Amino acid sequence: GESVGLHLPTLSVQEGDNSIINCAYSNSASDYFIWYKQESGKGPQFIIDIRSNMDKRQGQRVTVLLNKTVKHLSLQIAATQPGDSAVYFCAENLAGSNYKLTFGKGTLLTVNP
Amino acid sequence: KAGVTQTPRYLIKTRGQQVTLSCSPISGHRSVSWYQQTPGQGLQFLFEYFSETQRNKGNFPGRFSGRQFSNSRSEMNVSTLELGDSALYLCASSLSQVITDTQYFGPGTRLTVL
Repeated sequence: GESVGLHLPTLSVQEGDNSIINCAYSNSASDYFIWYKQESGKGPQFIIDIRSNMDKRQGQRVTVLLNKTVKHLSLQIAATQPGDSAVYFCAENLAGSNYKLTFGKGTLLTVNP
Repeated sequence: KAGVTQTPRYLIKTRGQQVTLSCSPISGHRSVSWYQQTPGQGLQFLFEYFSETQRNKGNFPGRFSGRQFSNSRSEMNVSTLELGDSALYLCASSLSQVITDTQYFGPGTRLTVL
């Protein structure tokens, strides 16, 4: 099976709330992680990335946390908006695998107005 | 700057046929990767090209092949199509061969095999 998985396939939140999307990975040799957002009918869009030598990285309204001890990755979206509704994927790169990303199956985020 | 373009956007083929999909990367990008996306398996890596050389390949049968041209445009070919090949095929480009270079995805080609 895939080495990257997700705890929840769907997540429904109210507009304005914070969202947390989780991802588990099984390969401790992975050194680079990315979150993508995919809206219906479109290709995945880069959100934020983090290297394994970091625990936290912040972007605009998004924060990625990496817990290497339990091999867990999360994406936090602040003040979730209807435009955030999409499928979110985490992806990992195994060190030395030379540009071969392994994607999780995705979490569908629905933001209710 | 124009994004990654893929043609055609939709394709319907029958079992046993072959198909060729095209990807034009963002201008200046030299790395092109291909992924297959299905509801059951999610996004799976097919192969990646840089400077006309395939540098990495996923776990797909030999019926799946690709190439990259000197202008960085890429094509992938699937021969002897099977029903299970029905999927969204995504192409992504990045500036160079460094993994931390952001991959920009195209809208995909939706292939239906009947």
